[in-house]
Amino acid sequence: EVQLVESGGGLVQPGGSLRLSCAASGFTFSYYWMSWVRQSPGKGLEWVANINQDENERYYVDSVKGRFTISRDNAKNSLYLQMNSLRGEDTAVYYCVRPGDHNNFDDWGQGTQVTVSS
Amino acid sequence: QSVLTQPPSVSGAPGQRVTISCTGSSSNIGAGYNVHWYQQLPGTAPKLLIYNDNNRPSGVPDRFSGSKSGTSASLAITGLQAEDEADYYCQSYDSSLGGSYVFGTGTKVTVL
Repeated sequence: EVQLVESGGGLVQPGGSLRLSCAASGFTFSYYWMSWVRQSPGKGLEWVANINQDENERYYVDSVKGRFTISRDNAKNSLYLQMNSLRGEDTAVYYCVRPGDHNNFDDWGQGTQVTVSS
Repeated sequence: QSVLTQPPSVSGAPGQRVTISCTGSSSNIGAGYNVHWYQQLPGTAPKLLIYNDNNRPSGVPDRFSGSKSGTSASLAITGLQAEDEADYYCQSYDSSLGGSYVFGTGTKVTVL
C-alpha cells in the first residue's frame, strides 16, 4: 500500500521560511516523479511543483518560482519542499502526491497545514 | 485561480443520477489533454476517481463515469448514495504560460 506522510507544517510569519518533508513507503520511490499540491479555501486545489526521479527536471507554478525549491532523497525515500519568502497567499494544506502516467495524481498524503500570518 | 469551471453545488435524492460539468478552454481540455476527477470526503485528502476522461481505478464503483467533448468534461454519478456526499474536482493539463497542471473550482455534492 502506498503511504505518503507529510510533516513540517506550521505557523510562520510573512517573509519567513519553512521546509516540508514527505516520507514515502509502499512503492519504489526512486522510480517515480513526485509532486506537491496545495489546497486553500480561497484558491482551491493548486499544483505547486514536480520533480523527476534523478532531480534534473523540476517544474513550478509561476506563483512560487524563485521562492520554493522541490528536492528529494531517494536513499531516504523522502520528498522535500523548501519554502522561502512566504506570503499570506501561501497559506494552505500542502499535499505530497505521486503522479500517475497521464498527467494525473494517483496517490495523496494526508496533508500538512502551512499558515503564513503575523 | 482555477482555469476549469465547475458548478459550486449539485444535489440529488438517493438513487438519482447527478452530473457535474467541468468547462475549460482550447489550451487545456480543448487541446485534447486528458481529464481526471477526484473525490474529497470531508476532512480527507482528494482521491483519484476517474482518470483519462472515463477510466476508473481499481475499487471505484461503476456508478461513477466520465465523459469529454470539446472544451468540457462531465462526471456522472448514478444510483446516488449517502456516502457519495463529498467535494469533486476535475483536473487537466494546460499548455499556456509554459504548461501547468490545472484543477477545477470544485463541486459539493449533497445527498438529500
